[in-house]
Order: sequence, then C-alpha cells, then structure tokens
Amino acid sequence: DIQMTQSPSSLSASVGDRVTITCRASQTISSYLNWYQQKPGKAPNLLIYAASSLQSGVPSRFSGRGSGTDFTLTITSLQPEDFATYSCQQIYSTPYTFGQGTKLEIE
Amino acid sequence: QVQLVQSGAEVKKPGASVKVSCKTSGYTFATFRVSWVRQAPGQGLEWMGWISPYNGNANYAQKFQGRVTMTTDTSTNTAYMELMSLTSDDTAVYYCARVGGGNYYYFDFWGQGTLVTVSS
Repeated sequence: DIQMTQSPSSLSASVGDRVTITCRASQTISSYLNWYQQKPGKAPNLLIYAASSLQSGVPSRFSGRGSGTDFTLTITSLQPEDFATYSCQQIYSTPYTFGQGTKLEIE
Repeated sequence: QVQLVQSGAEVKKPGASVKVSCKTSGYTFATFRVSWVRQAPGQGLEWMGWISPYNGNANYAQKFQGRVTMTTDTSTNTAYMELMSLTSDDTAVYYCARVGGGNYYYFDFWGQGTLVTVSS
C-alpha cells in the first residue's frame, strides 16, 4: 500500500495568514492526489483534485502543487471558515489511501 | 442537486453484521462509481472499496476482503455496504461518496455519514 504522510499534524494560524500543508507519498503517484477539508461531525469536502485542479465552488485562496511524491496545499489569506482538518488522498493505486490529516487551528 | 443520504446510526454486538445504505439523487446513478470510506473516532479516513452501479463490479481494499460486500440497486438508486464479523475496531463513521473524474478520480459528493458502534 502507498503510505501518505502529512506535515505538520497540527498547525496554529491567524485569520489573514498564509499556510502550507505538505503531503508526501511513499512512492511516486504522478499527479494522482486529492485534497479534502473536513469540519467536526461533517463529511469531507473536495478542494483540489489531480494535485492542482480547483474543485468547482472552492474559493481561489486554496491551491495545490506537486507531482511525484511531494505535494502541498496552500491557503492564502485564511478565513474563519477555513479552520478545519485537511487530508490528502492518493488515487494512483488501490487502496486509495489518505494522509492522517492536518488540523488547522486558530492561534 | 446531487445528494447522498445514508441510513441511521447502528449499534451492533461483536460478531454481528451491519448493512449501511446510501440513497442517491440528482444524477444518473449508473454512470458514477460509489466508494465507501470509514473514519474511526479521532482517526484519519480509510478507503474500503468501491462499486460500479453500471455493472456491479466491486473493488475492495485487501484489508476488508472476505468481510465486506458492496452492492447497488439501480431501481432505487441506492448503494449498500455490508460488513461482517464486526469487532470493536470497526466502530467508526462510515461514509459513501460519489466517484467523479475520468483519468483522475476524486470523491466529489459525500453522504452525511453513518455511525456504527460495536459493543458488547
């Protein structure tokens, strides 16, 4: 199975900050990488697919980059509604594994 | 609008089985796979497998092979996930999700989740 490792596990930031979350795959996955946002008690919400494509309806302050084994999710100008947990997922080969999540908290 | 509505919470004893339903609407059911993902309390997301409503073909994660069965009913646009031989480690919220994309898959619409508690 492909292991997905996110860093950091948690992150404190303030409204208006720019933050970057990293996701590393245990083997190359090309651009087969998705990012999801999840709020407590809610289902995940797709933000980015194919490493850098913004899902319809997702604000442009979210962006994704990377290919191969190293990927980033960047949020510019954090808004109050962005404080949540973010997870990456590889869709290169089954099982489609997720990272352990990065919890973004208000500083 | 696309919606996936799951069945309600379940409490099961160890060794029992659970069957969770996922009723879809707002799109052509047969043309999108449905995936199942679970999340144990305080843990990350775990992919269990997916099924194609078009032909019934399913692909299960090795971890769940022999213990999970995913099915669909195209007459009611509903997907089902049955997990057998439950243990306390199966206590989790179970989600269904529509699988979009062509070359690059993604899970674009999700059900609200079903809490399954396994306890004696």
